[in-house]
Order: sequence, then structure tokens, then C-alpha cells
Amino acid sequence: GENVEQHPSTLSVQEGDSAVIKCTYSDSASNYFPWYKQELGKRPQLIIDIRSNVGEKKDQRIAVTLNKTAKHFSLHITETQPEDSAVYFCAASTFTGGYNKLIFGAGTRLAVHP
Amino acid sequence: GAGVSQSPSNKVTEKGKDVELRCDPISGHTALYWYRQRLGQGLEFLIYFQGNSAPDKSGLPSDRFSAERTGESVSTLTIQRTQQEDSAVYLCASSTYQGYYGYTFGSGTRLTVV
Repeated sequence: GENVEQHPSTLSVQEGDSAVIKCTYSDSASNYFPWYKQELGKRPQLIIDIRSNVGEKKDQRIAVTLNKTAKHFSLHITETQPEDSAVYFCAASTFTGGYNKLIFGAGTRLAVHP
Repeated sequence: GAGVSQSPSNKVTEKGKDVELRCDPISGHTALYWYRQRLGQGLEFLIYFQGNSAPDKSGLPSDRFSAERTGESVSTLTIQRTQQEDSAVYLCASSTYQGYYGYTFGSGTRLTVV
């Protein structure tokens, strides 16, 4: 089955710097890669996703890149702000058998210092 | 409803007791997923429902865990004879079109077994 590894486990940056979180996946058939943000004590919320027919996607200060050959994808946050502090989870899934089963990475705790 | 609702939000139970956790998905979402999140860890897949059938139960950790869903509505996750290692946040998510457009998570039930 699918296995997703995520690095780093913790990341500390100064406000205004960029942050990059990387994930690798094992199943070459995986075709959907979402990123979730989870603030302390709250539910995970989808912030951006990418499908395997696209190499990059941007939404304001966040972007995701996908390298299908290498089986890795990354989240890029530019001009970080203190409110970006949270745990970020990547996930991968294969839409086969009629549904998406998301397999999550272990998470990255991002701290943005003013 | 406007979002995925889970109840109770917190549950403390004695070791050996049975517990029931409830999830009320977004109206019209046919796909429903249960995940477990241990403290400081990632999201671990438990079970997937499409309507009231469960084509993927592969993540249920033992036969003490079971789940049901009524039509395309409420789901209940039952843990029998709870153990301390069952302590975790149990998250429910729902999606339209079998997850193709991503999941919406509930706020979770924090289960503590003492």
C-alpha cells in the first residue's frame, strides 16, 4: 500500500522568510496530493491540492510542486506570517476502486517567529 | 449541515468500557472516512464508507473496533473493551464524489482511556 514520508518534522522560520516542506510517496499510481493545515486543537483544513496531471499550483502565498518521476511533492509558503504557525500534513491517494483513500505523512510543525 | 459534526468532543472512559463516537457528515456527502490521530502524530486511516456500505475496513486496528453508517447520514464508531492505547483523537471526514474533491474534517472526538 501507499506510504508517505514527510520532512522536516519541525521547522522554525523568521516572519517574512519562506518555508518548504517535502513529502515522498511510494505508490506510483497515486494521483491526488492534498495539503492540510491543523492549528492547535482544531480540525485539519485543506489548504491546497494538486493532481498528477499538473506540475505546480499556486494560491497567493502558498504553492505546491509535484515531481511524478521522483515521487515527491513539496509545499512552499512565502512571506511567512505568525498565523502560518501550525502543523502541516501532506497526503497522497489513488482514485481507484471508486474512491480516494488519503494516506497522510506524519506532519511538520511550523513555527513562525515575529 | 454546514460542516462535519462529531460528538462528543471529549470522552473520558475507564479501561474495559465500551464507547461510541458519532459523526454527522455534510448533507449530500456520500463518502465518509474515520481516522485516528495519536498525540503528536499523523492521521491513521481506519475505515471508509460509501453510502452505508464499508468497502474498506483495512485500517481498523482490532476486532474491538467497528463502525456503522445509516444510509448516507450518521456514522458511529464503536470501540469495545477500551484500552489505554486507544487514547487518541478520532477524526471523521466526508466528501462528495467519493473523495475526488478532497475531504472536509470534523473537529474530532478526543478519547482518553484511564
